[in-house]
Amino acid sequence: TQLLEQSPQFLSIQEGENLTVYCNSSSVFSSLQWYRQEPGEGPVLLVTVVTGGEVKKLKRLTFQFGDARKDSSLHITAAQPGDTGLYLCAGMMGGTASKLTFGTGTRLQVTL
Amino acid sequence: GAGVSQSPSNKVTEKGKDVELRCDPISGHTALYWYRQSLGQGLEFLIYFQGNSAPDKSGLPSDRFSAERTGGSVSTLTIQRTQQEDSAVYLCASRNAGNTIYFGEGSWLTVV
Repeated sequence: TQLLEQSPQFLSIQEGENLTVYCNSSSVFSSLQWYRQEPGEGPVLLVTVVTGGEVKKLKRLTFQFGDARKDSSLHITAAQPGDTGLYLCAGMMGGTASKLTFGTGTRLQVTL
Repeated sequence: GAGVSQSPSNKVTEKGKDVELRCDPISGHTALYWYRQSLGQGLEFLIYFQGNSAPDKSGLPSDRFSAERTGGSVSTLTIQRTQQEDSAVYLCASRNAGNTIYFGEGSWLTVV
């Protein structure tokens, strides 16, 4: 059973379009992180959200943590080809002495 | 080095052989993770080390897998009697006191 489900699994859009990626779980997380991974590289941390209802913005990326801390979303405005990659959400339960559970991943391709 | 270093970067081995994968975390990071990632998929948790505490081995898929962390720094993941289904990218990560996790570029393992 996958603890964190992401949707959509794949997304192919044109430059300039907006998109939202969802990360859902039936479990409560103390914090949730979003990563982007490019081919041949390890995931790179984009943001950490810790408070229910929290919204964080990173340039054209907006991250939201659900009020109940069970879900999260990533919204990209005016996507660019450089946004192409595998987006992964990851949740941590309990305190800092805890493993990080990754979602199923969303592969995004942005074309010209 | 500045980041998490993993070696070898690529390994092709014959079915039934043992392999060792090495991870050099960022200096001073007390937490270390091993994950496995199949092509284009999300990350599967394997094992987690935190300081001097007993490691969380709950993700190891079988008793052919083991890991150790010597001196609180370098970690080695060992796979005995490799099988074709062990083929994957093995990713190591370390975490700083601020809860930011940094990944290495991974060790690509192919079992033939």
